[in-house]
Amino acid sequence: KQEVTQIPAALSVPEGENLVLNCSFTDSAIYNLQWFRQDPGKGLTSLLLIQSSQREQTSGRLNASLDKSSGRSTLYIAASQPGDSATYLCAVDSNSGYALNFGKGTSLLVTP
Amino acid sequence: GAGVSQSPRYKVAKRGQDVALRCDPISGHVSLFWYQQALGQGPEFLTYFQNEAQLDKSGLPSDRFFAERPEGSVSTLKIQRTQQEDSAVYLCASSLDAGGGVYSPLHFGNGTRLTVT
Repeated sequence: KQEVTQIPAALSVPEGENLVLNCSFTDSAIYNLQWFRQDPGKGLTSLLLIQSSQREQTSGRLNASLDKSSGRSTLYIAASQPGDSATYLCAVDSNSGYALNFGKGTSLLVTP
Repeated sequence: GAGVSQSPRYKVAKRGQDVALRCDPISGHVSLFWYQQALGQGPEFLTYFQNEAQLDKSGLPSDRFFAERPEGSVSTLKIQRTQQEDSAVYLCASSLDAGGGVYSPLHFGNGTRLTVT
């Protein structure tokens, strides 16, 4: 079974800092990896989707990289803002290509 | 445009009661998923529909859980004889492509928080 691990579990940074969230997975035979954001009491919002043939994706201040062979992905957030405070979840697909396997998330707090 | 809509937003059930949770996906989305999220955990896969066909139900915890999507749009997740361990947030997600979210991102609803007392 695909296992997804996210480090750190929680992170607190002052506004303006650049930061990196880490995700690792045990089975490198994936189709894609997705990063999501979850605000308290809300569903998940897709941030970035990286196909297995891609190395990275960028959206605004967010950049996600994928090293499929080593089973790792990082989410880089530039110039963090208090509005970035949320839980960030990494997910990879399973062998069937249907189910997504999620990590437990990194809870991010950006202080003004 | 409208996103994925789930109802009710909150549901409290006494142990042993049956519940039905509804999901309205984004119009035209082929793929529909149900996930279960316990407090402090990532979502866990329950089941997957491609249009009206339930292609994967391997994540359903027991035969008390049943899901349907009879016309390929709205879906209902039914839990019979609820138990305390069923307490969780139930999330529905839809995706445009038929590959189950492989090529296009998943869009999640805000979930139904089920509390079994």
